[in-house]
Amino acid sequence: NAGVTQTPKFRVLKTGQSMTLLCAQDMNHEYMYWYRQDPGMGLRLIHYSVGEGTTAKGEVPDGYNVSRLKKQNFLLGLESAAPSQTSVYFCASSYSGTRGYTFGSGTRLTVV
Amino acid sequence: AQSVTQPDIHITVSEGASLELRCNYSYGATPYLFWYVQSPGQGLQLLLKYFSGDTLVQGIKGFEAEFKRSQSSFNLRKPSVHWSDAAEYFCAVGDYEAAGNKLTFGGGTRVLVKP
Repeated sequence: NAGVTQTPKFRVLKTGQSMTLLCAQDMNHEYMYWYRQDPGMGLRLIHYSVGEGTTAKGEVPDGYNVSRLKKQNFLLGLESAAPSQTSVYFCASSYSGTRGYTFGSGTRLTVV
Repeated sequence: AQSVTQPDIHITVSEGASLELRCNYSYGATPYLFWYVQSPGQGLQLLLKYFSGDTLVQGIKGFEAEFKRSQSSFNLRKPSVHWSDAAEYFCAVGDYEAAGNKLTFGGGTRVLVKP
């Protein structure tokens, strides 16, 4: 009964480094989302996917890329990390997005 | 585009007192509305949701929320708070008219509970 699993949970990057955040869900959900959470700003949508092989931009996509090669996995990539990308990243999945999401426990990323 | 406003950034309440968190939304059609709770260092957990029907909805942990279309509000309430209710609370509106059926979240309200 894992739900949505995010790895890693914590990461420190140097400016210019790259990394990939992994989100895995075992609920056979079609919709998956990546959000970032910053103090006082709530959650802002980075990218989302409505099914295997599809991706789309959200509210704050710049500096990020995503892939959904398998239905259960949604990867978020940072090609050249910047301090402005220091944040907590949440992945979520949903059977039908407007019916509510199931969230992962988050990845805390610090870019120095 | 839809939006959600949570006017109170912080609320401090005494244990055993009542709690009300405000949420105002902007959305053209009948909204899907949600409240989530986030405990420190954790992900978001769904408290309750409104799709249609009875405007007073019951959720987990003794919370309820009331949808008022005329006021574009979906306020969250709890009659008697427990220390374990200290957390951050997020209101969200679902957009089913655009691709992706995305949720838009408010900025959150952090609740502190005094003993």
